[in-house]
Amino acid sequence: GESVGLHLPTLSVQEGDNSIINCAYSNSASDYFIWYKQESGKGPQFIIDIRSNMDKRQGQRVTVLLNKTVKHLSLQIAATQPGDSAVYFCAENNDAGNNRKLIWGLGTSLAVNP
Amino acid sequence: EPEVTQTPSHQVTQMGQEVILRCVPISNHLYFYWYRQILGQKVEFLVSFYNNEISEKSEIFDDQFSVERPDGSNFTLKIRSTKLEDSAMYFCASNDPRVSSTDTQYFGPGTRLTVL
Repeated sequence: GESVGLHLPTLSVQEGDNSIINCAYSNSASDYFIWYKQESGKGPQFIIDIRSNMDKRQGQRVTVLLNKTVKHLSLQIAATQPGDSAVYFCAENNDAGNNRKLIWGLGTSLAVNP
Repeated sequence: EPEVTQTPSHQVTQMGQEVILRCVPISNHLYFYWYRQILGQKVEFLVSFYNNEISEKSEIFDDQFSVERPDGSNFTLKIRSTKLEDSAMYFCASNDPRVSSTDTQYFGPGTRLTVL
């Protein structure tokens, strides 16, 4: 069946270092991928997205890489700050038949040490 | 910046009672969603809603669940007879790919439902 999973459930980094959060997906039909950040007690907050016709997309301090060959997605955060501490989820979607539901991974907890 | 809002932030109810969770999606969005997240688990899709009807629902969304858009701004999730396992965070989301040119769904802060 379709599933999205994360390789590392927890990640601890030093402030100022770069962080890399990984995600594996199994549905080769997925054509849209999103990273969300969830702080404690809050709803998921959009970070960055990428379509399957791209392999890299950059935002402010964040980069998403997509490797369709191995069905792997990663989120890179440059110069990680204490405010980046949160749980990060990847989610996938395919628009076949107007299916717009997001399928979510388990989440990776990022802890930034000052 | 427009945002999705949800009320109440926390709802405590007795097993078997009906609850209604409320959401105000971002205005001019046309697609609406409910997701739930059981404590410590991943977010799960419940239902999507477009053009005043359900466009897709998951296995979780059984006959005890219903959604409604009673007016031009609110989007509600009703659970008719709550069970202990309904305890979770419920998130509302909305989007309109025609506006944003992406499928990005914007989420509300969630309602924590506790069933006793």
